[in-house]
Amino acid sequence: GQNIDQPTEMTATEGAIVQINCTYQTSGFNGLFWYQQHAGEAPTFLSYNVLDGLEEKGRFSSFLSRSKGYSYLLLKELQMKDSASYLCAVMDSNYQLIWGAGTKLIIKP
Amino acid sequence: EAQVTQNPRYLITVTGKKLTVTCSQNMNHEYMSWYRQDPGLGLRQIYYSMNVEVTDKGDVPEGYKVSRKEKRNFPLILESPSPNQTSLYFCASSLPPGQGSDTQYFGPGTRLTVL
Repeated sequence: GQNIDQPTEMTATEGAIVQINCTYQTSGFNGLFWYQQHAGEAPTFLSYNVLDGLEEKGRFSSFLSRSKGYSYLLLKELQMKDSASYLCAVMDSNYQLIWGAGTKLIIKP
Repeated sequence: EAQVTQNPRYLITVTGKKLTVTCSQNMNHEYMSWYRQDPGLGLRQIYYSMNVEVTDKGDVPEGYKVSRKEKRNFPLILESPSPNQTSLYFCASSLPPGQGSDTQYFGPGTRLTVL
């Protein structure tokens, strides 16, 4: 079966750096997405990786290793507003999105 | 403003009473889909549509129907709702998958409670 694994919850301190990991096993691969979702709101797009390596976008970076079935989202200079759930999703060979259950990130002052 | 709208945002209903949740997008996207989100389970796709008059089942289609008569609208129909369909529902749209810009744009969500 297809599977996306990510930690259920993480805690970090304001101003620090946090890395959220995602491992996947899917039928084929057509890209990996990270979305941010604040409580009670819709997910919003953060990043897209289809080739191995690091994609940087401001305070957020996303890394992909296709051979290892592994990605991480790196958040720098954490702010209180970064408290949210972070969703990892993989597009399989049929172009269907498979979603992880999400990682709830708690930022403490 | 580019957006996906859903109505209603909140709905409490009773078992067996047919309901429709509307979804509309103004970005001329071909691809639209419906998800439900339950605690600890993540987003699960109910149905998706690659274009007008083309719909396909996702992972959890039982108890749901959809239609795509126009490009902008993709309503979700629950013919006979049951309590296990109590959930948070999201509609999403995007360009066709695999065309290099697969970002999903989500509606604000519909919180449905079936008593």
